[in-house]
Amino acid sequence: DIQMTQSPSTLSASVGDRVTITCRASQSISSWLAWYQQKPGKAPKLLIYKASTLENGVPSRFSGSGSGTEFTLTISSLQPDDFATYYCQQYNSYPGTFGQGTKVEIK
Amino acid sequence: EVQLVESGGGLVQPGGSLRLSCAASGFTFSRYAMHWVRQAPGKGLEDVSGISSDGDSTDYVHSVKGRFTISRDNSKNTLYLQMDSLRPEDMGVYYCVRGTGSYYGTFFDQWGQGTLLTVSS
Repeated sequence: DIQMTQSPSTLSASVGDRVTITCRASQSISSWLAWYQQKPGKAPKLLIYKASTLENGVPSRFSGSGSGTEFTLTISSLQPDDFATYYCQQYNSYPGTFGQGTKVEIK
Repeated sequence: EVQLVESGGGLVQPGGSLRLSCAASGFTFSRYAMHWVRQAPGKGLEDVSGISSDGDSTDYVHSVKGRFTISRDNSKNTLYLQMDSLRPEDMGVYYCVRGTGSYYGTFFDQWGQGTLLTVSS
């Protein structure tokens, strides 16, 4: 299985900050990467797919980049609603493995 | 509006069995691959099993192969997960999710609210 490693595991930030989360794959996955946001007690929500394509309805402050083995999720100006846990997922091959998550906390 | 509603979770003893169901509505169910994704308490996400839109192809994460069986009834717009020989490490919230591509390589654009499985004696 392809291993996905996110960093950092926890991130403390303030409203208005620019935030970047990194996701690395154990082998090349081209651009077959998605990002999800999960809030406590809720199901994950799709934010980005194919590394950089924003899902309908997702605010434009979210962006994704990368290809091959290294990817980033950027929130350009953190909003109160953005404090959550973020997961990357590769879907180059089955099983579609997820990173361990990055929790974005209020500083 | 797309809806995925899971049911069937609960408390089961180690070695026991349980069947999860997921009722889908608001989209053409038979056109989409479907998966079960689980989340152990306080942990991350794991794609447990996937099934093609026609039900002819399935796959499983290594840890559940031979114990879990995914199936679907396109006439009833329902996805199932039969879980046998349950272990404490199977415990968690099980999400029914819609895939956007083939069952073996897809991201998930719609998620149910989840159903909780507890495995304990």
